[in-house]
Amino acid sequence: GAVVSQHPSWVICKSGTSVKIECRSLDFQATTMFWYRQFPKQSLMLMATSNEGSKATYEQGVEKDKFLINHASLTLSTLTVTSAHPEDSSFYICSAFRDADGYTFGSGTRLTVV
Amino acid sequence: GQSLEQPSEVTAVEGAIVQINCTYQTSGFYGLSWYQQHDGGAPTFLSYNALDGLEETGRFSSFLSRSDSYGYLLLQELQMKDSASYFCAVRRAAGNKLTFGGGTRVLVKP
Repeated sequence: GAVVSQHPSWVICKSGTSVKIECRSLDFQATTMFWYRQFPKQSLMLMATSNEGSKATYEQGVEKDKFLINHASLTLSTLTVTSAHPEDSSFYICSAFRDADGYTFGSGTRLTVV
Repeated sequence: GQSLEQPSEVTAVEGAIVQINCTYQTSGFYGLSWYQQHDGGAPTFLSYNALDGLEETGRFSSFLSRSDSYGYLLLQELQMKDSASYFCAVRRAAGNKLTFGGGTRVLVKP
């Protein structure tokens, strides 16, 4: 079946630095990838939709300058958290969509900003 | 906008049956999905209903009534490993976005 690889699985960074999270579809081409954020004991909140070759579309309330999304190829989407602060500490999950397989989720990235 | 309501927590014993209800309000409804998530892990797909009726997959079944904007997930023969959070999610026609409910934490006791 479809597999989405997400790296890193966890990262600790200093406040003010930037962190890049990669999401890669291993055996299929994903024209659309979604990025979610999940705080402890809460639901997954959609942050943005990443489409290959075009600008990402962000959900209301999500700062596009803070959460930079790049979908340069059909198999790779990246989320960069810029100038991270402790309140950005969360679980970030990507998901690729394909009609044949539905939604395939990455394993998630636990970000801790200290 | 979209909203999905599901109970926050359910506790049951091993071998029991648990039903998790989900009501939703959304535009451009395409289908209702269910996901399981263990602490620290990614969501795992359980079931999907695009049409009214019951879908059965082993110990898990899911039901949808589009006219009532309602669905449920039925967990049968509960096992300890079923302790997890369960999310209903609506697939919207526009952009194929998936919107999640708040999640139901299921605790299975011996």
